[in-house]
Amino acid sequence: GESVGLHLPTLSVQEGDNSIINCAYSNSASDYFIWYKQESGKGPQFIIDIRSNMDKRQGQRVTVLLNKTVKHLSLQIAATQPGDSAVYFCAEGHSGNTPLVFGKGTRLSVIA
Amino acid sequence: DVKVTQSSRYLVKRTGEKVFLECVQDMDHENMFWYRQDPGLGLRLIYFSYDVKMKEKGDIPEGYSVSREKKERFSLILESASTNQTSMYLCASSLNSLSYNEQFFGPGTRLTVL
Repeated sequence: GESVGLHLPTLSVQEGDNSIINCAYSNSASDYFIWYKQESGKGPQFIIDIRSNMDKRQGQRVTVLLNKTVKHLSLQIAATQPGDSAVYFCAEGHSGNTPLVFGKGTRLSVIA
Repeated sequence: DVKVTQSSRYLVKRTGEKVFLECVQDMDHENMFWYRQDPGLGLRLIYFSYDVKMKEKGDIPEGYSVSREKKERFSLILESASTNQTSMYLCASSLNSLSYNEQFFGPGTRLTVL
């Protein structure tokens, strides 16, 4: 079936630098995308979402970019902090009775 | 704030035991989900439910069943636990299926089957 994947399974960044986590999706029918953050021992937490009628959405220190032409999603974290260390998942879906499909996750490690 | 709670954080069971994992959400969400999470495999959907007494198979339903007798509660049942069901189990809920909406996750139950 269709799947959501990630380009980089692990990412190490220096504290204060910007982080970019990438995700490729294959289902062209998907029109809703979410980024989740999962800290050790906790369940995934919502970070930011974007619909397919947008190509960029910003939150607090985070930006999600969507390129529908190449089916690519990215999460940018500005001024990365130690508290950003976690596993990040992208998920795709669309409205209606279909569950989200999750990628396998990227581990972000912040070096102090 | 939406709160999704799971009955246990850690659980140890023996092979062949019947295991119940309970999940409760407090925001009147229609949709509820059960996932298992294993290293390198990400989140895999076991079962989901869009309404009371309704259930749908996910990607890996074998060896599991579910029950949704009340809107706020979604139970995952392992009829006869096996060692390959040792995993982290995550419950999630979302508002409804009428529009785009995120899934809220519980803290997870780490199940070990000996």
